[in-house]
Amino acid sequence: DQQVKQNSPSLSVQEGRISILNCDYTNSMFDYFLWYKKYPAEGPTFLISISSIKDKNEDGRFTVFLNKSAKHLSLHIVPSQPGDSAVYFCAATGINTNAGKSTFGDGTTLTVKP
Amino acid sequence: DTGVSQDPRHKITKRGQNVTFRCDPISEHNRLYWYRQTLGQGPEFLTYFQNEAQLEKSRLLSDRFSAERPKGSFSTLEIQRTEQGDSAMYLCASSQEGSPLHFGNGTRLTVT
Repeated sequence: DQQVKQNSPSLSVQEGRISILNCDYTNSMFDYFLWYKKYPAEGPTFLISISSIKDKNEDGRFTVFLNKSAKHLSLHIVPSQPGDSAVYFCAATGINTNAGKSTFGDGTTLTVKP
Repeated sequence: DTGVSQDPRHKITKRGQNVTFRCDPISEHNRLYWYRQTLGQGPEFLTYFQNEAQLEKSRLLSDRFSAERPKGSFSTLEIQRTEQGDSAMYLCASSQEGSPLHFGNGTRLTVT
């Protein structure tokens, strides 16, 4: 049973437009959520996170929205740039664990076209 | 901050052989994690250390796998009697307590 799901394996957007990446989770114990970005031949790098006490967190062009009732979160990138092309992983962890021991989704490959 | 370093980057081995990977974390980080990633999937947690103590191991970590972190600095992950199903990217990450992970670039293992 996959507890963190990213149902879109890939997404393609035009430069300057908005990219929306989605993530669903099933475990009600998850209360801290993270997004990581991964370029080819590199390890994932942390992008942005959100605690369950918030419904939105913003950092520059990146905003994460959390809908606890729907067990859904999304990452918005505005405006999208070609350098944003990468694999994006959603990750979740629970109150009794730690941010390092996270459950990851399978990733969404974002392609931003110039 | 020189980042998390993993060695080797690639390892090809024959089934049944033992392999060992090394990870050097960011020096001020007290937590070190090992994850495994197969093609098309996200990283899966294997084990983690706080300083030199191994605090948790996933059920994914069979008894052929062993990890150490002597003196709370670098860590090694050994796989004994490798199987083809062990072929994957092995990712090491480090963090301070409560903070997100800093990943290395991984060791890609191919078992033939």
